Amino acid sequence: QSVLTQPPSVSAAPGQKVTISCSGSSSNIGNNYVAWYQQLPGTAPKVFIYENNKRPSGIPDRFSGSKSGASATLGITGLQTGDEADYYCGGWDNGLGAYVFGPGTKVTVL
Amino acid sequence: EGQLVESGGGLVQPGGSLRLSCEGFGFNFGNFWLSWVRQAPGEGLEWVANIQQDGSGKNYVGSVRGRFTISRDNAKNSVFLQMNSLRAEDTAIYYCASPSHMTQQAFDIWGQGTKVTVSS
Repeated sequence: QSVLTQPPSVSAAPGQKVTISCSGSSSNIGNNYVAWYQQLPGTAPKVFIYENNKRPSGIPDRFSGSKSGASATLGITGLQTGDEADYYCGGWDNGLGAYVFGPGTKVTVL
Repeated sequence: EGQLVESGGGLVQPGGSLRLSCEGFGFNFGNFWLSWVRQAPGEGLEWVANIQQDGSGKNYVGSVRGRFTISRDNAKNSVFLQMNSLRAEDTAIYYCASPSHMTQQAFDIWGQGTKVTVSS
């Protein structure tokens, strides 16, 4: 049972927008940076957003991150079939003394 | 661009031991906390442990504390995970992960993973 909460799945048609929520507490998201990872089937995760809202070089600006209080959101606009993947939020939890991941959200392009 | 390469996975019986290795290439390995992250079949990501740059600080997820030990050898750009008293629920792909010059607050560099199967 993760201390971070994400919806199991989201879906939308190509070109549309989806948002993925990540809810935590003051022990984790509320007082620490959030990162978002994309994992394609059979591959290692890849960081898509770090420090709440920063994109690594090479990540399209269709991907955005935000944080408010103890919740964070990943937004994907102009949805493409190549965006179909599992997305995980993650961050340090001060109470647990551990890095925690959300359970993951599967993005499906209809 | 940095790279991590894991090795040491395999099939082991319950109660057995296994030692995973991870070697870093192309980045200042010794500048970062290094972590192990695992993923059980069909499940999500679970952070397992991390180790400070000089090896003095270590953290573990509760389910492995007392059974797993993380260590590192910066001279060999390597981090290790000694896994003892293995259980079926430790079956997973184990990834080595590191921050980078980009950020210390996320895992920017990942290995390809090494598979551990605990079964009789």
